[in-house]
Amino acid sequence: SQQGEEDPQALSIQEGENATMNCSYKTSINNLQWYRQNSGRGLVHLILIRSNEREKHSGRLRVTLDTSKKSSSLLITASRAADTASYFCATNTGGFKTIFGAGTRLFVKA
Amino acid sequence: EAQVTQNPRYLITVTGKKLTVTCSQNMNHEYMSWYRQDPGLGLRQIYYSMNVEVTDKGDVPEGYKVSRKEKRNFPLILESPSPNQTSLYFCASSLNSGAGQPQHFGDGTRLSIL
Repeated sequence: SQQGEEDPQALSIQEGENATMNCSYKTSINNLQWYRQNSGRGLVHLILIRSNEREKHSGRLRVTLDTSKKSSSLLITASRAADTASYFCATNTGGFKTIFGAGTRLFVKA
Repeated sequence: EAQVTQNPRYLITVTGKKLTVTCSQNMNHEYMSWYRQDPGLGLRQIYYSMNVEVTDKGDVPEGYKVSRKEKRNFPLILESPSPNQTSLYFCASSLNSGAGQPQHFGDGTRLSIL
């Protein structure tokens, strides 16, 4: 069973617009991470947010975490064509496993 | 350059013919892991290793074996591959396994089992 599930499955926006992706999970977590995957490549770590944090920023990325709703969101501001990729959330429950969701495919039109 | 290297990148083979996908990292990471990625299912963990000679099953270990004799290497072995193991495979490593550290991924190995 999947711990993290992203929403929407796919998103198409114009360059310059903001993109928001959501992740819901089922059990209590130690931390939640977001990764990006360009077509045909490995995943690249973007940002990690711990269970006791509510918001985190990194450049044009903003991640929020609501542990009461078991959900997180990733906001990419002022999107660029180069942001076109799949985005995955991954949760860790404190053990050795990290569980990935199915991902959101983002397409940014120039 | 810090990296995780997988070989081969692409492989087409037949049912039952044993194969090994190698994975090597040059970052002195303790934790290594194998995932498979299938459309609509995201990444599913096959096996992971917390350190040399310490491995454990992930969510989909059936049909796979691993070994961790050296810190840098973590090969994935398919003793008798079957068509349902056709997938995109990723190896990843992190500094240690504590509290879900960020993982570094290889570029993937696309396996086709006919």
